[in-house]
Amino acid sequence: GIQVEQSPPDLILQEGANSTLRCNFSDSVNNLQWFHQNPWGQLINLFYIPSGTKQNGRLSATTVATERYSLLYISSSQTTDSGVYVCAAETGANSKLTFGKGITLSVRP
Amino acid sequence: DGGITQSPKYLFRKEGQNVTLSCEQNLNHDAMYWYRQDPGQGLRLIYYSQIVNDFQKGDIAEGYSVSREKKESFPLTVTSAQKNPTAFYLCASSIGDLILAGNTIYFGEGSWLTVV
Repeated sequence: GIQVEQSPPDLILQEGANSTLRCNFSDSVNNLQWFHQNPWGQLINLFYIPSGTKQNGRLSATTVATERYSLLYISSSQTTDSGVYVCAAETGANSKLTFGKGITLSVRP
Repeated sequence: DGGITQSPKYLFRKEGQNVTLSCEQNLNHDAMYWYRQDPGQGLRLIYYSQIVNDFQKGDIAEGYSVSREKKESFPLTVTSAQKNPTAFYLCASSIGDLILAGNTIYFGEGSWLTVV
């Protein structure tokens, strides 16, 4: 099945800094989503982005499907951005999302 | 408010006992899913259901059982046959098959199960 790798595994930022989180996948994707897992464990949807670029406030995401990666950009980071960022992909073959291990982001005041 | 409700949030179970985790959604979604999360690992699919009265095994179904008698409900039973049940369990739903363009998955708040 598809492999989903996220990097870096951990990231520490000072408040106000920008960051780029990466998600590599091993096969062409039909569905790709980014989530933010809050400290209580809930996954909050950020983007549905199997291709192209989207922006939502300080967050934006780009998926280059032909090169099999997706990037999540966080600008002017805030302490509330802390948590785990997870990407998940589905190839169109079996209706199942495969999840990466996540990137733990800590934003310090 | 529309959403996915999981209960209980925290559950302790003695070894050898079965336990059932509840998942209810009022989003009118056809598809529902159960995932397990362990430290340092990505979410793994336990069971999923695309329609009422039908469900499929995921990647780690051994030791678990589900039912889908109503569209809005998808309870998960962790049986005594599950060798390592202590984990964080997440229920999710989507309007339809994730193969279809635009279908996104939404998660409940999760349930922490500890075997003592």
